[in-house]
Amino acid sequence: GAVVSQHPSRVICKSGTSVKIECRSLDFQATTMFWYRQFPKQSLMLMATSNEGSKATYEQGVEKDKFLINHASLTLSTLTVTSAHPEDSSFYICSARDRQGLKDYGYTFGSGTRLTVV
Amino acid sequence: QKEVEQDPGPLSVPEGAIVSLNCTYSNSAFQYFMWYRQYSRKGPELLMYTYSSGNKEDGRFTAQVDKSSKYISLFIRDSQPSDSATYLCAMSAGSGNTGKLIFGQGTTLQVKP
Repeated sequence: GAVVSQHPSRVICKSGTSVKIECRSLDFQATTMFWYRQFPKQSLMLMATSNEGSKATYEQGVEKDKFLINHASLTLSTLTVTSAHPEDSSFYICSARDRQGLKDYGYTFGSGTRLTVV
Repeated sequence: QKEVEQDPGPLSVPEGAIVSLNCTYSNSAFQYFMWYRQYSRKGPELLMYTYSSGNKEDGRFTAQVDKSSKYISLFIRDSQPSDSATYLCAMSAGSGNTGKLIFGQGTTLQVKP
C-alpha cells in the first residue's frame, strides 16, 4: 500500500526558532497533501491543503505567515513553523491521497511529528 | 453542530466481543467514507475506505454506510487486545486528488484480555 514518510518524528526547539517538517509520498505521486494538527485526546484539525507548484490553501484561523507550506515536487511537502512559541507545541501530521489512474486508494497519513517548544 | 459527530467513549469490551463504532454527519455532499485506527502518538492508519452507500468487509472489519440516514458504522469481530486504540471516522465530498477530510472526534476502544 501507499506509504507517507514524515520526518522528524520528534523535535524539541527553543522559543523563537523555526522548525521544518517534511512529508514524502514514497511510492506514489501526490499533487495534493494535507497538514493537520492534533491536540491530546482530540481529533485532527486540518491546517492547510498543500498544492504542488502553487500556494497552499489555509483553513480559517491558521496563520499562513507562521505555518509556511512548500510543495515543491509531486512527492514532497514541507511545513515550517516559524518563530515557534510554546503554544505551537502539538502533534503535526501530514497526509496524501493516493490516486493512480482510476484506482483510488484513499488518504494515507504520515507517522506524525511531536513538536515541543521550550 | 459539528459536521461529523462521534462518541468519544471510552468503550471497554472483553476480548472476543463484537465492537460497533458509529458516526453521524450532516453534510449530504459527503461521498467518501473512511475509518482510521490511531495508536498513541502515531499517525492514523487507514482501515476501511468506501465510496457512497453499502457495506465493505475486510477480515474482521466491516464498514457500513447509510447515506439516507447519514450514518456510518465500523464493526470489529472477535476483538483482540491489539485492537485497543482510537478509531476515527473521516469523510470527504471531494473528487480527484483534492477533497479535504472531515474527522470525527475519535472513539477510544479498550479490549480487555
